[in-house]
Amino acid sequence: KAGVTQTPRYLIKTRGQQVTLSCSPISGHRSVSWYQQTPGQGLQFLFEYFSETQRNKGNFPGRFSGRQFSNSRSEMNVSTLELGDSALYLCASSRQEGDTQYFGPGTRLTVL
Amino acid sequence: LAKTTQPISMDSYEGQEVNITCSHNNIATNDYITWYQQFPSQGPRFIIQGYKTKVTNEVASLFIPADRKSSTLSLPRVSLSDTAVYYCLDSDSGNTPLVFGKGTRLSVIA
Repeated sequence: KAGVTQTPRYLIKTRGQQVTLSCSPISGHRSVSWYQQTPGQGLQFLFEYFSETQRNKGNFPGRFSGRQFSNSRSEMNVSTLELGDSALYLCASSRQEGDTQYFGPGTRLTVL
Repeated sequence: LAKTTQPISMDSYEGQEVNITCSHNNIATNDYITWYQQFPSQGPRFIIQGYKTKVTNEVASLFIPADRKSSTLSLPRVSLSDTAVYYCLDSDSGNTPLVFGKGTRLSVIA
């Protein structure tokens, strides 16, 4: 069974731009969560989607948003990029909410 | 805030068994202990999960004593490729967001 896939793997943007990252969960998994990882703050939870509904949200500004489609694929969007948004963005999927989460390889975003 | 405490770093020689301890004094009845491994610039990889006593898979063993206030991840005969950061998480089976601490940076030396 294929794992979690994320596209693109690497991205370079400039301040003020916006970006959309994509995540395809493991087949049969309906819950998708997003995390941000930086050297200073470590791994932090962004939000979780289940059945196309946002179920949980971490402590991030409204510039960070996401959605989930009927096939469980998910996208996250960051608007008005700031230098501090440079990070590894990780997507994780699980069969149901609260089940073991399996992570994708991540998208490395660099904001210049 | 992470609900677990683990050593910041550990060193080991190739071929040795490595035991990484984790404290979770306030673990709730419904919580599980989950361990992930992460290599630089990659997503965390699920290693093992347990509730109590001992769990073993092809990669590692997890020991959780009866009081469940601590646990030990055991990696048999480590190799250089086991050099990574290992995260211990106290995860609520009914709640999704994982709370990661700083993990344990394991360095395997030849």
